[in-house]
Amino acid sequence: QSALTQPASVSGSPGQSITISCTGSSRDVGAYPFVSWYQHHPGKAPKLIIYDVSSRPSGVSDRFSGFKSGNTASLIISGLEADDEAHYYCSSYTTIDTVLFGGGTKLTVL
Amino acid sequence: EVQLVESGGGLEQPGGSLRLSCKASKFTFIDHAMGWVRLAPGKGLEWVAGMRSGNVDAKYADSVKGRFTMTRDITENILFLQMDGLRVEDTAMYFCAKARGLLDPFDIWGRGTVVTVSS
Repeated sequence: QSALTQPASVSGSPGQSITISCTGSSRDVGAYPFVSWYQHHPGKAPKLIIYDVSSRPSGVSDRFSGFKSGNTASLIISGLEADDEAHYYCSSYTTIDTVLFGGGTKLTVL
Repeated sequence: EVQLVESGGGLEQPGGSLRLSCKASKFTFIDHAMGWVRLAPGKGLEWVAGMRSGNVDAKYADSVKGRFTMTRDITENILFLQMDGLRVEDTAMYFCAKARGLLDPFDIWGRGTVVTVSS
């Protein structure tokens, strides 16, 4: 299985909003409402920020939101802050009972 | 505090074997799906293997199928990843993670253990 497709990098200025896309297929992203997003700062463990397409775990800022249309899911980060600079990964449960991650997107806060 | 601690990483030659362990605190594996995820140098996260709650059958990524085996010791609350036939491309930080759904998403992660495969 190939990784889900994400842009390699995105950037934005503090206070702005950015969107990261995650494109899969009908065998993963398009099949179920089970898309998740993780934030990863180098040297730390990844952190779950969105699950089930648009739900936020307790304690995650409402500046993070997610949605899905067809085979593409998206993560929106509004009101960018310096600490948002990190790698972001999407993931999806698949029709063959596995999990697939995206290639990752490096967010730079200018 | 719910915690996962991995161990067992190290340097191994191609073709060799390693066994990773993941000890859980403050929760029991049998009640949750668990998984192993790796992060190779310069690459992205990759799901390696997973096991549903109450189910002993593990699922694997194609890249490790037939070489890696995921098991768990319910009495000791320890998760294992037996890695045989290691390849250079298996070099990565390996994370153990607790899932809140069928096989994911992963809401609790360990700090990881480094596996280096090199001659």
